[in-house]
Amino acid sequence: EAGVTQFPSHSVIEKGQTVTLRCDPISGHDNLYWYRRVMGKEIKFLLHFVKESKQDESGMPNNRFLAERTGGTYSTLKVQPAELEDSGVYFCASSQDWSTDTQYFGPGTRLTVL
Amino acid sequence: QKEVEQNSGPLSVPEGAIASLNCTYSDRGSQSFFWYRQYSGKSPELIMFIYSNGDKEDGRFTAQLNKASQYVSLLIRDSQPSDSATYLCAVNRDAGNMLTFGGGTRLMVKP
Repeated sequence: EAGVTQFPSHSVIEKGQTVTLRCDPISGHDNLYWYRRVMGKEIKFLLHFVKESKQDESGMPNNRFLAERTGGTYSTLKVQPAELEDSGVYFCASSQDWSTDTQYFGPGTRLTVL
Repeated sequence: QKEVEQNSGPLSVPEGAIASLNCTYSDRGSQSFFWYRQYSGKSPELIMFIYSNGDKEDGRFTAQLNKASQYVSLLIRDSQPSDSATYLCAVNRDAGNMLTFGGGTRLMVKP
């Protein structure tokens, strides 16, 4: 069974540009989460989808971040316009359903904003 | 005060020894507790989860939970150089909800 995949693995952009990160969860997993780790800090929650609906977006830092999960399969996270402080590693995780706590993480996308 | 605290390390142990990793959390409503292992540049990989007070063993790994003291630990017996990684403690309040992570402890197992 394929794990959680993320694309791209690395992205280097300039301040003010737009970047879109993609996450493909494990097939059949209804829950999809985005997390972020900025330099020297702990991994922080951004938001949680249940199928195509946003269940919790309390961790989204500001309105420059837009997450979507059309059709309840893969998800995208767009940062527009990117700022220097957005640099970090963006992780996606998925879990099967509400009764299952186990979240499986993808390899992350390392975003560098210059 | 951070919600989940871990000593950043590095924690250095000789091969074959027991490595003890500790984590404290501030939210008394936390219900589920997880230990993830992360190799440099890789994804966090779940090692153990524990819900109830006491010990839970899985192979060389034992997770210990004390909700009264808001403390969870991970013991690694017969440590191997391949165990060298960053160990992340994570908690959540309810099944399916977001995980709150500690900063991780870097473990180094020396041959």
